Amino acid sequence: SYVLTQPPSVSVAPGQTARITCGGNNIGSKSVHWYQQKPGQAPVLVVYDDSDRPSGIPERFSGSNSGNTATLTISRVEAGDEADYYCQVWDSSSDHVFGGGTKLTVL
Amino acid sequence: EVQLVQSGAEVKKPGATVKISCKVSGYTFTDYYMHWVQQAPGKGLEWMGLVDPEDGETIYAEKFQGRVTITADTSTDTAYMELSSLRSEDTAVYYCATDPRKNWFDPWGQGTLVTVSS
Repeated sequence: SYVLTQPPSVSVAPGQTARITCGGNNIGSKSVHWYQQKPGQAPVLVVYDDSDRPSGIPERFSGSNSGNTATLTISRVEAGDEADYYCQVWDSSSDHVFGGGTKLTVL
Repeated sequence: EVQLVQSGAEVKKPGATVKISCKVSGYTFTDYYMHWVQQAPGKGLEWMGLVDPEDGETIYAEKFQGRVTITADTSTDTAYMELSSLRSEDTAVYYCATDPRKNWFDPWGQGTLVTVSS
């Protein structure tokens, strides 16, 4: 089965850049999607197809994907960005797979 | 505005069956897949399966195969997820989420808490 690996936590000061990674075997050949989940709320799609943003998502959120690592980058981090972030892919043998999630803490 | 409204919280005994609904509005129900995702307390997201409302075809995750049934009622624009033989490990929030046939989930329902306890 296909496995996605995320760091459990990432910390960043306000105004700085946060980078959250998602590792998987040859993940660069797949389309990666990212979700933000705040406590007590449903997940929200923030990046799809590696680097596209749904309407209403700030330009501060961006994504990249190459080789064995996909990355969600949040520029000029704000307190309101504090949340759990999940990557997700579709794999032909495993169907839909989520990473374990990364807790972003804004210091 | 696309909206997915799920049914309310449930408390079930071990061995029982739960059926959760997800009523959609704001888009053509048959244009999008509907997925269900499990989130145990303090844990991550786990995909359970999907239904194509256009023809009723389903795909289930191996972990839930045999215990989960996902259906879609096009007369009421409502999707359902039924989970049987409940055990304590099934205590979780269950989300429905639409997919424009592009393998991403957007938007999601508000979630339904299912508690399995004797």
